[in-house]
Amino acid sequence: EPEVTQTPSHQVTQMGQEVILRCVPISNHLYFYWYRQILGQKVEFLVSFYNNEISEKSEIFDDQFSVERPDGSNFTLKIRSTKLEDSAMYFCASREFSGSTDTQYFGPGTRLTVL
Amino acid sequence: AQRVTQPEKLLSVFKGAPVELKCNYSYSGSPELFWYVQYSRQRLQLLLRHISRESIKGFTADLNKGETSFHLKKPFAQEEDSAMYYCALRETSYDKVIFGPGTSLSVIP
Repeated sequence: EPEVTQTPSHQVTQMGQEVILRCVPISNHLYFYWYRQILGQKVEFLVSFYNNEISEKSEIFDDQFSVERPDGSNFTLKIRSTKLEDSAMYFCASREFSGSTDTQYFGPGTRLTVL
Repeated sequence: AQRVTQPEKLLSVFKGAPVELKCNYSYSGSPELFWYVQYSRQRLQLLLRHISRESIKGFTADLNKGETSFHLKKPFAQEEDSAMYYCALRETSYDKVIFGPGTSLSVIP
């Protein structure tokens, strides 16, 4: 069964550095998402992406964050200047169709640690 | 604003006992409700959704619009059910999934 993949599984960075988290969605999916989960807290929506543009973003997704689909397979989340509070598990998800009958499939996550 | 609550952070039951994981939501429209499960060191997986009305791994959940609840139930807990369970909501006109805080289920052998 096809799966969403994410790399790296764990990223350690210094505060102020840029990080790029990578995701490969399921190949025929059209909708892409990033969520994050700070340790001990709930999973929070960051951004959704369709047709090469952001369709919705949360208040967490400020100017330090950006997303891109640089080619036909990857979907990336960039944090321009990381802060300590960006330390979290970041989940990518993808979905095939629009409408209420399909579901989002999640990747295994990337654990980001900002020192 | 839409919100999902799961009152129990941690729930322990004995193997073979019934289990109920509570979920309440607040949303004025007609949301789509889900249960996701995350086994140790694994990814979030969809367990079930209210519109399909199916039973997965013996779990069922009924949407009660009057009580705005979507509790997850299983009549006989198994050790392999030990995991983190997240109730989640999606507005039909939007795309994002809003997660509850999660309940960690521990099934004692």
